[in-house]
Amino acid sequence: NAGVTQTPKFQVLKTGQSMTLQCAQDMNHEYMSWYRQDPGMGLRLIHYSVGAGITDQGEVPNGYNVSRSTTEDFPLRLLSAAPSQTSVYFCASWKRIGRMNTEAFFGQGTRLTVV
Amino acid sequence: TQLLEQSPQFLSIQEGENLTVYCNSSSVFSSLQWYRQEPGEGPVLLVTVVTGGEVKKLKRLTFQFGDARKDSSLHITAAQPGDTGLYLCAGGKGNTPLVFGKGTRLSVIA
Repeated sequence: NAGVTQTPKFQVLKTGQSMTLQCAQDMNHEYMSWYRQDPGMGLRLIHYSVGAGITDQGEVPNGYNVSRSTTEDFPLRLLSAAPSQTSVYFCASWKRIGRMNTEAFFGQGTRLTVV
Repeated sequence: TQLLEQSPQFLSIQEGENLTVYCNSSSVFSSLQWYRQEPGEGPVLLVTVVTGGEVKKLKRLTFQFGDARKDSSLHITAAQPGDTGLYLCAGGKGNTPLVFGKGTRLSVIA
């Protein structure tokens, strides 16, 4: 009964370091996305994928890369961490039935601090 | 660009009071969802509304989708401390992922 699994839960990086946030889902959902959540800003979309091999940019993509080699996995890469990337990151997955989005399942989040 | 505007941003009320949270947009959405998020956790779905004018009830929570499918409201009757949390509305359209509002942070004081 895993749902969406994100790792790590906490991370501290130095400015300029790179890292990958992992996200895996076991519900065979076509759609996956990464959001960042900052105080007073809600959830802002970074990148998303509508299926294996297909990714696209969201509202705040700069400084992040993604890939979707399998349906299950959707890692988020920080290329060169900056203090402005300090945030809580959420991965989500869902599917569509017709024109309706089904329930989006979220991971527990990764709290990232860049010093 | 925030397509969904939520109001109020913060709400602090006494136990037993009623409240309404609003979610407004200039865009038409094919579906709209409400999520609730507790500290340290990801958002969890409360309801999905699809049809303009639709009203759904979930115990003390009543959700309404506007006739033009551009706005929605969440009404809580007789709020309880367990209702405390961040309430997020999210809209879906076309082949794009969910767009979220900034959220309403509700605090219910016993």
